[in-house]
Amino acid sequence: NAGVTQTPKFQVLKTGQSMTLQCAQDMNHNSMYWYRQDPGMGLRLIYYSASEGTTDKGEVPNGYNVSRLNKREFSLRLESAAPSQTSVYFCASRTPNTEAFFGQGTRLTVV
Amino acid sequence: EDQVTQSPEALRLQEGESSSLNCSYTVSGLRGLFWYRQDPGKGPEFLFTLYSAGEEKEKERLKATLTKKESFLHITAPKPEDSATYLCGKGGTYKYIFGTGTRLKVLA
Repeated sequence: NAGVTQTPKFQVLKTGQSMTLQCAQDMNHNSMYWYRQDPGMGLRLIYYSASEGTTDKGEVPNGYNVSRLNKREFSLRLESAAPSQTSVYFCASRTPNTEAFFGQGTRLTVV
Repeated sequence: EDQVTQSPEALRLQEGESSSLNCSYTVSGLRGLFWYRQDPGKGPEFLFTLYSAGEEKEKERLKATLTKKESFLHITAPKPEDSATYLCGKGGTYKYIFGTGTRLKVLA
């Protein structure tokens, strides 16, 4: 099993450019999550999807949009990237009330 | 407001020097308290889930405990390979949030 797969692994954007981070899971989980991780800040929840067809804001949603394309896939879009969005982004999935499984992360630099 | 707070931010131990990491959380809506280990450049890896006060889980040199407001990750006789960031997470039915982590360095 691949678990949670994120693409790309690395990306450099110019300020104002847009991009979509992709996430797919093969564990038949209902819930999926996007986090960002900055030095000293732990994991901060951007958006989550409790189940296919639903999305909710997390702790730091500004500047991001998400799409739950189907049960397997949950994408994160930056419409107009800013240097403050330079971070490592993690996708995760789980069944409610159980532990989450994480992807390996996407390192994004906005210059 | 839903919150998870971890302390200390960083901890340096000599090999064999036991210690504890702390995680405090807002009680409402708790559906599990989760501990993860994260190595540099990698995603978090699951260690333990605790669901009710008084519960304890152990794995090698690690033991996690839960009270009504806090969880502790006890590290007994640590080795250099235990060096990592340890994250505490609070699970709601759907929402899943984390603290800022404790960076542990174990010196040989």
